[in-house]
This record gives sequence, structure tokens and C-alpha cells, in this order.
Amino acid sequence: DAGVIQSPRHEVTEMGQEVTLRCKPISGHNSLFWYRQTMMRGLELLIYFNNNVPIDDSGMPEDRFSAKMPNASFSTLKIQPSEPRDSAVYFCASSRLTGTTGELFFGEGSRLTVL
Amino acid sequence: AQSVTQLDSQVPVFEEAPVELRCNYSSSVSVYLFWYVQYPNQGLQLLLKYLSGSTLVKGINGFEAEFNKSQTSFHLRKPSVHISDTAEYFCAVSPRSGGSYIPTFGRGTSLIVHP
Repeated sequence: DAGVIQSPRHEVTEMGQEVTLRCKPISGHNSLFWYRQTMMRGLELLIYFNNNVPIDDSGMPEDRFSAKMPNASFSTLKIQPSEPRDSAVYFCASSRLTGTTGELFFGEGSRLTVL
Repeated sequence: AQSVTQLDSQVPVFEEAPVELRCNYSSSVSVYLFWYVQYPNQGLQLLLKYLSGSTLVKGINGFEAEFNKSQTSFHLRKPSVHISDTAEYFCAVSPRSGGSYIPTFGRGTSLIVHP
């Protein structure tokens, strides 16, 4: 079975540019999560969706960050404009909503460097 | 609400030695417990989980963990580590009830295996 697929794996951009990260969850999973990982803060939950609907975006750091899930098989995390402090690894994870024990399935991450 | 404390940020060990990575949690409700492993430049993957039953749980790659309810701990152990076990290890808990199953992660423990 295909796992969670993220793209791009690496992104280097300049401050002020727009960044779009993409995620395809595991087929049949109806919960999707975006995390950010840094050395300073560890793993932070940014936002999660149930059945394509954003449930909790309290972890989104600023209005520069936005996330969408237009259908069950695709989600984006956008940063506009990007800043050097946004440099991090961004992970997407998915799970089932019903009958779940809270186990998450992670993608391989998108490493973002903002110069 | 839940919280997870991983008591060691880094654990250096020699190859073939035993290792224990410590995890303590607090929660007002009963929880499921997890250990995830993150190899360099990869996403997190499930190592093992405790749902119910026997308090000793066996996972992949020879790892096991023991749930101790009275001490609210879920320590991870391996009797003999290999170089390839060098990775970041995350403990996580997820509430069994209360509507939200969203897991809470610890800050991670970096296991460094020396030859």
C-alpha cells in the first residue's frame, strides 16, 4: 500500500516568496494532520482535518500560514510570505477517524529552507 | 489534557549494549500509548503500541516497552542495540475517550549507538 506522500522533499526559497507543500494521505484515511519539526520546538501540530474539514488550526503560527484540503486525497500547506524562521521539516500524517487508537501514519517530510 | 515527558534528550550507548529510553505521561483520562522511531531524513514510523492487555508490548526490530499504570510510565527497551538503531525516538499518548483522539508527543530522545 502506498503511504503518505509529500512533495517537495526539499525546498529552498528566498524570504518573501510563497511556499506550497503538498500531501496525499493514505487512501481510506479521513483525518489529516500537518506538523512542523524544529530543533528548538520539537514536533508541533499545526492543523488537522477530519473529512476534509479543518477542525483545529490553533497551532498555525501566523496568518502567513494557511492549509486547505479540497478533497479526501489532497492537502496543501501554504506559507506566504515565507521568512527564515519558517525553516523546518514539515510533516503530513493521516489516520482513520473512526475506530482509531490515535496511531498516525507519517510522510517522509518536506524540508524547507528560507534564505 | 495530556502531557508526555521523555526524560533524556540524548542517550549514547555502545553497540550490543542494552538500552532503556524513558517516558512518563500525565492524563486525566485513560490513554493509548505509542513509541515512534524517526530515522535520519525520514518521517516517524510506529515502533509499538499499547492498547490493552499485557503490559509488556513487543514491537519491531527487537524493541519492547512496558506500561506501568501506577508510575504512569511507558519505557522502551532493547537488550542489545545495533548501529542501525541510531535514530530519534518519540513517545506519544492518545486519549481513549473524550471525543478527541489526537496524540500528544514527547520531545524525543536521540539514541546514538557507537561502534
